[in-house]
Amino acid sequence: DAKTTQPNSMESNEEEPVHLPCNHSTISGTDYIHWYRQLPSQGPEYVIHGLTSNVNNRMASLAIAEDRKSSTLILHRATLRDAAVYYCILRDVEGTYKYIFGTGTRLKVLA
Amino acid sequence: SAVISQKPSRDICQRGTSLTIQCQVDSQVTMMFWYRQQPGQSLTLIATANQGSEATYESGFVIDKFPISRPNLTFSTLTVSNMSPEDSSIYLCSVARTVNTGELFFGEGSRLTVL
Repeated sequence: DAKTTQPNSMESNEEEPVHLPCNHSTISGTDYIHWYRQLPSQGPEYVIHGLTSNVNNRMASLAIAEDRKSSTLILHRATLRDAAVYYCILRDVEGTYKYIFGTGTRLKVLA
Repeated sequence: SAVISQKPSRDICQRGTSLTIQCQVDSQVTMMFWYRQQPGQSLTLIATANQGSEATYESGFVIDKFPISRPNLTFSTLTVSNMSPEDSSIYLCSVARTVNTGELFFGEGSRLTVL
């Protein structure tokens, strides 16, 4: 299973953009890059996913490096409700289809 | 979206006993997974629940300890057998509607404490 590497923690000021990095140097051509977040005392929730091109949705943007060995989740304006653990996941869609979680980044948002 | 109900939401169990966790989804889904989350840790995949056949277990997890059933496309159970304090964790059921869909949905989890 391809692995991801994320910083253990990050801090951001409220209403400022946040860039959460993820390294996945062993990614294969068929691995999708997924991001989930887990708020305190809740199950993880989907944020965004992509394969090669940058992706935008109402929650965030996903910037994928040209060689696909890294990606960045962008929260355009952090709010206190965005304080959570953010997980970058690689999902194989030609083999086992499973989702393997890494250690995640704990984001703290300062008021 | 998919609405997932897990039961029990929490339980306190005695060492050596077994507990079955149920996962009910409000609609048919292709893929169902069981995860474990130990205190302060990330999620660890236990197994993929396969409809009508044996689950596919990850390294470090065995069927005798974590038997899984999936009789249809909306329901699955995970049993934690012969529990020890090390099994105290949150167990989460998750589903994906189709094989290729991006979004994984999670239940609220079942928090088990083993004394």
